[in-house]
Order: sequence, then C-alpha cells, then structure tokens
Amino acid sequence: AQKVTQAQTEISVVEKEDVTLDCVYETRDTTYYLFWYKQPPSGELVFLIRRNSFDEQNEISGRYSWNFQKSTSSFNFTITASQVVDSAVYFCALSGRSYNTDKLIFGTGTRLQVFP
Amino acid sequence: GAGVSQSPSNKVTEKGKDVELRCDPISGHTALYWYRQSLGQGLEFLIYFQGNSAPDKSGLPSDRFSAERTGGSVSTLTIQRTQQEDSAVYLCASSLANYSRGRETQYFGPGTRLLVL
Repeated sequence: AQKVTQAQTEISVVEKEDVTLDCVYETRDTTYYLFWYKQPPSGELVFLIRRNSFDEQNEISGRYSWNFQKSTSSFNFTITASQVVDSAVYFCALSGRSYNTDKLIFGTGTRLQVFP
Repeated sequence: GAGVSQSPSNKVTEKGKDVELRCDPISGHTALYWYRQSLGQGLEFLIYFQGNSAPDKSGLPSDRFSAERTGGSVSTLTIQRTQQEDSAVYLCASSLANYSRGRETQYFGPGTRLLVL
C-alpha cells in the first residue's frame, strides 16, 4: 500500500532557527514522485517542490532545501533561518501508482509556528 | 495567468439540502482533481478527471457525492442530502497532462469551506 507519514504534528521555533520537517513514504513502485506543499493560514495549498524517484540529488532553493534518501524512504524538508512568514502547515505527498489515476496521497501535515 | 478558482468560497447549508461546488481549472490543464480536507481525515482524494471522463472515482465517500466536468474545463461537485460529516474544505486542483503519474504538478485552488448545520 502507498502511505506518507509525517510524524511531527506541530513544531514551534523562534525566528532564525533552522527547522527540518520529516516525511517518510511507502510505495512498491520503482517510479514515483514526491511533493511538498505549503498551506498558509489563508488555506490555499502552494506547491513547493516535485522530486522523481530517480533523482536523489538534494535541492536547495533559497532558504529551503530538500533531502531525498531512497534507502530510508524519506524526503525531508529543511528551512534555514526561519521567518514568521514560514508559519504554515506543510504537507508531503506521493503520486499514485495506478495507470488510471494521478491522485496524490498526502501525509497528515506538520504545522510549523515561527515566533518572532 | 489565473490560477485555479473555486466558488463559492464558503457555503453554509442545512442538513438534507443539496449543494453544488464549482471549480475552474487553469486554462489548458486537461487533468482535474477534487480533494477534501477535514479535521479528522486530513487531505483525501475524491475524484480525478481526464478531459470530461472520470477514470478514478474511488475516493467518493458515498453515492450522495457526484461530479461532472464539461467542455474539458469547469467541474461541479454535487453533494446530495448533505450530512454534518460532509463539513470540510473541498479543494480542486488541475494539472497539464493526463496519466502523468506525478510528472505534472497539481496546482490547487483556494477551496470551498462547507458547513452543514
């Protein structure tokens, strides 16, 4: 079965701290895609990154970085020097395996609160 | 370029009434998805459209839920005889291609917050 686990329900940090959000996934597919989305208080899901299963290179985008490790089935997300505007719920997601669907399977999300 | 739009933003209805939720995907996006976000269940997939067809309806929770898409564009999710457990945020997403198995990113709308009294 396919599953995404985000064990951290809520994390609180003070501005400028680094924070890592964990994501562990399960799939029997050899080809799959992983995603991170941000949901700020306004409610809209904002796409952050997509990673395919054949690309294990870490990615950095400004203060954001992602660490994909197939050996541990993890796709962790680090925010460096966090800011108040980073406060949101962050979702990790896995692409579905069937040929008749493109559905995403989401983790339960991690609520990040960054205090000034 | 406009993003995915949904209407209404909020909907309050009485138990037993029917509701219709609308989604306008990004222009040119052939794939459209409905998801539901509720406190107890997280983000759940409901239905996937390729063009006007729905090859995956596996997430619809009961036969009170239905959806259609016309002209390969606008989609309507209908909930008949609403129940209190239907209260949730209903999110629509669209992506460029069908059967992409994740190769195309899904972009989400702002959602419709449904409250059934």
